[in-house]
Amino acid sequence: EAGVAQSPRYKIIEKRQSVAFWCNPISGHATLYWYQQILGQGPKLLIQFQNNGVVDDSQLPKDRFSAERLKGVDSTLKIQPAKLEDSAVYLCASSPRLAGPTDTQYFGPGTRLTVL
Amino acid sequence: GDSVTQMEGPVTLSEEAFLTINCTYTATGYPSLFWYVQYPGEGLQLLLKATKADDKGSNKGFEATYRKETTSFHLEKGSVQVSDSAVYFCALLVPGNTPLVFGKGTRLSVIA
Repeated sequence: EAGVAQSPRYKIIEKRQSVAFWCNPISGHATLYWYQQILGQGPKLLIQFQNNGVVDDSQLPKDRFSAERLKGVDSTLKIQPAKLEDSAVYLCASSPRLAGPTDTQYFGPGTRLTVL
Repeated sequence: GDSVTQMEGPVTLSEEAFLTINCTYTATGYPSLFWYVQYPGEGLQLLLKATKADDKGSNKGFEATYRKETTSFHLEKGSVQVSDSAVYFCALLVPGNTPLVFGKGTRLSVIA
């Protein structure tokens, strides 16, 4: 079974530029998550989709971050404009359904973003 | 709010040494507890989990027991290998509160 795919793996941009990340979850997984992992910290949830609807985006800085999952499969996370503090690894994860106490989230390899 | 506290790293051990990584949690509900591992250059992988008090999760020689009385979920392995070198994250999930809450991670380096 193919895992969660993300691209690009690395991205370097200058502040105020725009950037987009792509995620393809495991086939058939209804729930998709985007996490931000700042160096030295644990991942923090940015947004969660159930199929193509948003379940939780309370931690997403909506003035500069946006995400979509138009057909309920793959997803794009965008930052516009980027700030220095956005430098982090952006992780995508998926699970078969809305996370319950026994559900496992499967993570992709992440995209490492450096903002100069 | 819900939170996870892990021992700070890095932890450096010799091969075949005993490993303990401490994890304690604070949660408003009755959480499930997880250990995730992140090998260099890879994404997070679930290592083990426990969903109720006194449950023991185990995988690849690692174990952790859900201790409700001490709100802990310490990770142990009797004999570590070089291939265990990675960052280990403790996490919790409160039913009905969907985000996984992670600790800051503990970097383990095992030397031959």
